[in-house]
Amino acid sequence: DAKTTQPPSMDCAEGRAANLPCNHSTISGNEYVYWYRQIHSQGPQYIIHGLKNNETNEMASLIITEDRKSSTLILPHATLRDTAVYYCIDKLIFGTGTRLQVFP
Amino acid sequence: SAVISQKPSRDICQRGTSLTIQCQVDSQVTMMFWYRQQPGQSLTLIATANQGSEATYESGFVIDKFPISRPNLTFSTLTVSNMSPEDSSIYLCSARGGLRSTEQFFGPGTRLTVL
Repeated sequence: DAKTTQPPSMDCAEGRAANLPCNHSTISGNEYVYWYRQIHSQGPQYIIHGLKNNETNEMASLIITEDRKSSTLILPHATLRDTAVYYCIDKLIFGTGTRLQVFP
Repeated sequence: SAVISQKPSRDICQRGTSLTIQCQVDSQVTMMFWYRQQPGQSLTLIATANQGSEATYESGFVIDKFPISRPNLTFSTLTVSNMSPEDSSIYLCSARGGLRSTEQFFGPGTRLTVL
């Protein structure tokens, strides 16, 4: 069964980079890794996704290991508004997520 | 990005009744999904809504309890049947496979309370 593993919580100072890890050792060769965040039980907000190569967009960067068993979401300059629960998903399955707290 | 809307946004229902939740995407998508999020927990996949055929349900979810329709490439419904208080949850619609075909987006959710 698909399963992702993330640390339950992380802190980050405002303006610093937030690096959020995820293990997805069950991922298959043609499955993308998706990252979302959720604030106050709103619908999950799409952040980024990738297959094999590292990806970057206006929100974040995604670093995927060569064996594809783990990835890291990077928020390069965290702000207070980035405080949220961050999820990586594999095969449509959500893990328990990481609660990121950005502090001043 | 695709914009997904859901109706109703919230409802309070009596035990034993049924509620149908509608999901509308502003563009055609290949895949639509339904999730449930119980208070304080992560999201759980209920089923994949297949256009023109029966939905594909995840373990623990059955068609009699959660019938799903998907009549076209932009619309789906989820019915929560014979509700009990344990069905109180947020129900979320998701879609993948639009113009930027591998992106997947979520609707705002329907907050259901069963008394």
